[in-house]
Amino acid sequence: EIVLTQSPGTLSLSPGERATLSCRASQSVSNYLAWYQQRPGQAPRLLIYGASNRAPGIPDRFGGSGSGTDFTLTISRLEPEDFAVYYCQQYGGSPVTFGQGTKLEIK
Amino acid sequence: QVQLVQSGAEVKKPGSSVKVSCRASGGTFNSFVIHWVRQAPGQGLEWMGRIFPMLVLADYAQKFQGRVTFTADEATKTAYMELSSLRSEDTGVYYCASRDAAEELVGPFDYWGQGTLVTVSS
Repeated sequence: EIVLTQSPGTLSLSPGERATLSCRASQSVSNYLAWYQQRPGQAPRLLIYGASNRAPGIPDRFGGSGSGTDFTLTISRLEPEDFAVYYCQQYGGSPVTFGQGTKLEIK
Repeated sequence: QVQLVQSGAEVKKPGSSVKVSCRASGGTFNSFVIHWVRQAPGQGLEWMGRIFPMLVLADYAQKFQGRVTFTADEATKTAYMELSSLRSEDTGVYYCASRDAAEELVGPFDYWGQGTLVTVSS
């Protein structure tokens, strides 16, 4: 099973700042890496797939990068609605696995 | 646009079973892959497995093998997840998620249901 480790566990920032979230895989996942946003009481929402492709309707302030074992989600200028929990996911192998999540909170 | 609508909240006794439904609208159900994901209270996302209706093939996470069964009814565009021998640790929100697998079997989870809260309590 591929283990995904996200860091930091919690990130405290202010609106307008830049957020950088990391995800490290225990073995290469190529580019089969996605990022999801989950707001309280809601289902997760796909943001990024293929490590760097934005899903339809996702604002361009969200960007993904990386390949192999190290990945980054960047939010260039935080909006109030961006404060949520973010999960990375590898979907290239079975079982599909998720990181433990990074909580992005308002400072 | 694909929408997934799940059945309502359930309260179950330990040792019993629960069956959650996930009805799709839009898209071509027969070419979907339907995943099931669990989220325990205050915890992260846990993949339970997936079903490919067109292949009549299900793939279960090892943790749940022997206790979970996925089925799909093409006529009603509905997928089902049945979990048996329930225990308190099974309490959580269960999500279905899907994507069109016609061109590629593996991929991210494009669409999500709203989630079904299952509470296991005596």
